[in-house]
Amino acid sequence: EVQLVESGGGLVQPGGSLRLSCSASGFTFANYVMYWVRRAPGKGLQYVSALTGYGGTAYYADSVEGRFTISRDNSKNTLYLQMSSLRAEDTAVYYCVKDRGAVAPSFDFDYWGQGTLVTLSS
Amino acid sequence: QSALTQPPSVSGSPGQSVTISCTGTSSDVGRYNRVSWYQQPPGTAPKLIIYEVSNRPSGVPDRFSGSKSGNTASLTISGLQAEDEADYYCSSYTSSSTVVFGGGTKLTVL
Repeated sequence: EVQLVESGGGLVQPGGSLRLSCSASGFTFANYVMYWVRRAPGKGLQYVSALTGYGGTAYYADSVEGRFTISRDNSKNTLYLQMSSLRAEDTAVYYCVKDRGAVAPSFDFDYWGQGTLVTLSS
Repeated sequence: QSALTQPPSVSGSPGQSVTISCTGTSSDVGRYNRVSWYQQPPGTAPKLIIYEVSNRPSGVPDRFSGSKSGNTASLTISGLQAEDEADYYCSSYTSSSTVVFGGGTKLTVL
């Protein structure tokens, strides 16, 4: 059974930093593109970042480019999101998400974690 | 990376059909057959219900169907059931090698 479990969320001040983790199980983690997707309170889903299976290429939404860094440790089946220079508009539930494609990325998401809440407040 | 355009809300009675539209541009929906739909009931994580415009993952009822014409994709839910009440999101791969979501549509089953 595929499981994605996020951790690391919490309350942080604007300008601060936070690192999210996602522990994956039930599939060959290194073979899949992984993503972070967020949902701000009262708003819709927003793509945040993606990372290819062996960590070669990272992609970011314009709104987080230069502030967030996605990475992975395939030996630990873990995905990370290092967030810095956090802003009020980064307040959201952050979901760890798995790409559906096994051979090549499909750019659709077949498994989602339950999410971890990041709250910006001074 | 502007969000795809969805109606904020739709509604229907049990047994009826509803269609949710998702309008993008020639750089996303119109260019690629990489349109997906997700269902998110309150307090839960999103669930993939349609991928590559019209394909259903295993376990998704055939009451859910997808299509695309030009820059607009559509999700149709036939034989509405109370359990279908949720937020629905479309997404598309883009020419910037990212994914863009729609703003979401709240489905109310009357």
